[in-house]
Amino acid sequence: QKEVEQDPGPLSVPEGAIVSLNCTYSNSAFQYFMWYRQYSRKGPELLMYTYSSGNKEDGRFTAQVDKSSKYISLFIRDSQPSDSATYLCAMSGETSGSRLTFGEGTQLTVNP
Amino acid sequence: DTGVSQDPRHKITKRGQNVTFRCDPISEHNRLYWYRQTLGQGPEFLTYFQNEAQLEKSRLLSDRFSAERPKGSFSTLEIQRTEQGDSAMYLCASSLGWGDGKNIQYFGAGTRLSVL
Repeated sequence: QKEVEQDPGPLSVPEGAIVSLNCTYSNSAFQYFMWYRQYSRKGPELLMYTYSSGNKEDGRFTAQVDKSSKYISLFIRDSQPSDSATYLCAMSGETSGSRLTFGEGTQLTVNP
Repeated sequence: DTGVSQDPRHKITKRGQNVTFRCDPISEHNRLYWYRQTLGQGPEFLTYFQNEAQLEKSRLLSDRFSAERPKGSFSTLEIQRTEQGDSAMYLCASSLGWGDGKNIQYFGAGTRLSVL
């Protein structure tokens, strides 16, 4: 079983829709939770960074972490065609050098 | 701040050849990480450096792989006797260091390796 599980999709939504992406994990040592966006043939770009449980909002993006359920989510409001990309959740603990453990990514397409 | 730079962007090689990739981290970032990403998968950790010291290596890093970070600045990743299974995107990331906020990793655009 993988440490981080993420539905690979693909997910296709109309422009303006609310998108919900999520990951589950098994390692209770994870303390830092991130969402990266990756366009085709590019490197991952950090979208959201959260320490421990709680919510964080940045513009159209909201990240939620529920450590009791080992479940994290990313919500995208008013989705745009430019949001079409692969979204990767990533996590790390206090030890292991902060190496990131990634989900396999969810491919999102926002249709105009 | 020019971001993490990786060179080359794409490398095509024949099986059995050696290849070397270079990563220039964001200046003043003490930590440097290497990851490998295959098609349809998330990146997988390979190794990381704190300044010039290589502190951890994944079991994915076979004996054919070696990484260096002389003087704690740029890093190189060498693959000897390449195999077709080495074909992947090799990503480099850097962070300020340790702890909340300092451990945010910023990624380069990656080096795509194709082994024929």
